Amino acid sequence: GAGVSQSPSNKVTEKGKDVELRCDPISGHTALYWYRQSLGQGLEFLIYFQGNSAPDKSGLPSDRFSAERTGGSVSTLTIQRTQQEDSAVYLCASSGWTGGGRSTGELFFGEGSRLTVL
Amino acid sequence: DAKTTQPTSMDCAEGRAANLPCNHSTISGNEYVYWYRQIHSQGPQYIIHGLKNNETNEMASLIITEDRKSSTLILPHATLRDTAVYYCIVRLLIYNQGGKLIFGQGTELSVKP
Repeated sequence: GAGVSQSPSNKVTEKGKDVELRCDPISGHTALYWYRQSLGQGLEFLIYFQGNSAPDKSGLPSDRFSAERTGGSVSTLTIQRTQQEDSAVYLCASSGWTGGGRSTGELFFGEGSRLTVL
Repeated sequence: DAKTTQPTSMDCAEGRAANLPCNHSTISGNEYVYWYRQIHSQGPQYIIHGLKNNETNEMASLIITEDRKSSTLILPHATLRDTAVYYCIVRLLIYNQGGKLIFGQGTELSVKP
């Protein structure tokens, strides 16, 4: 597809289980971002990938959270031993130069993955 | 990262201009000013960005003061669909298309009939 794709759109899990959230960025975009948004709250930065550089992990809230980006494209956010406070919408975005015109550095967001930890 | 300060909330009458202020007094010379908005239950939407010159597009205008310590986003004719949280962000633009982007608390704009 032409946009950022995230899966699953909804995930309900039990406390203590591991979850994986997937993000397919726009083809050719070199930058990829993960954010989370708890109910009624703002967007919390988690991690940022830029090309082949080491990712900026400064927003990951604990060592239970990790993310990788394989082949400079698809990214997976993994949450181990989930807790109830991990319940949120996890948003992925990408940005990059796709040719033609002036690049704006605009982030294109996916629809998000809603995680509910019981 | 440079921080921004925005009013928590604002009201605007439908059809009037909405002027949303933002202070970024610690902005560095190579940081851009970006504006995004988030309509309830949707992902954030890019509006406009600029470095030091005023910018205009089909959505809005961005006025940046000469010292770059503050800016104003202008929605010229606000509609009810412009009701959203508006985020002012400063960031470095990496390789002209990337760069870490941190959202603050934003301004909740309510457009009223």
